[in-house]
Amino acid sequence: EAGVTQFPSHSVIEKGQTVTLRCDPISGHDNLYWYRRVMGKEIKFLLHFVKESKQDESGMPNNRFLAERTGGTYSTLKVQPAELEDSGVYFCASSQPIGKREVAGELFFGEGSRLTVL
Amino acid sequence: AQSVTQLGSHVSVSEGALVLLRCNYSSSVPPYLFWYVQYPNQGLQLLLKYTTGATLVKGINGFEAEFKKSETSFHLTKPSAHMSDAAEYFCAVTRNTGGFKTIFGAGTRLFVKA
Repeated sequence: EAGVTQFPSHSVIEKGQTVTLRCDPISGHDNLYWYRRVMGKEIKFLLHFVKESKQDESGMPNNRFLAERTGGTYSTLKVQPAELEDSGVYFCASSQPIGKREVAGELFFGEGSRLTVL
Repeated sequence: AQSVTQLGSHVSVSEGALVLLRCNYSSSVPPYLFWYVQYPNQGLQLLLKYTTGATLVKGINGFEAEFKKSETSFHLTKPSAHMSDAAEYFCAVTRNTGGFKTIFGAGTRLFVKA
């Protein structure tokens, strides 16, 4: 079974440009999360999809960030326009549908997309 | 509000020595507790978890952690460190708020000396 995949693994862009990160969750996982880690700091929650709906987007930094999950499958996270402080590693994670107590809350992570804004 | 505190951003041990990585959490409701590990150039993977039941939980690679409600702690231990344990370890708290939301600590990087 394929794990969570993220693309690109590394992106270097200039301030003001646009970048789109993609995440393909594990098949059958309704829950999809985006997290970000700025160097040396905690992994910070950005948002949570349940299927195609945004369950919680309280962690999105500002309106330069737009996340979508069309059809409840893969998700994209667009940063437009990018700023220097957006640099970091963006992690995507997925988990089983809510109600499966056995794996409640367990997240399966992708390898991350490292974004460098110059 | 939930928070997770990991004491020590870096821990160094000798091979064969005890590994102890500390984690304290705050949560207004009983949480689910997790330790994840990240090896270089890889994503995070689950090491172990506490949901309900026995407070001492065992994970992969010989790691274990004990949930102590009175101390709001979930420290990670391993009796004997191996070189392959060198990685970054993250403590995490999850609770069901209509959807599971996981909060992570800042991480502790473990160095293992030969």
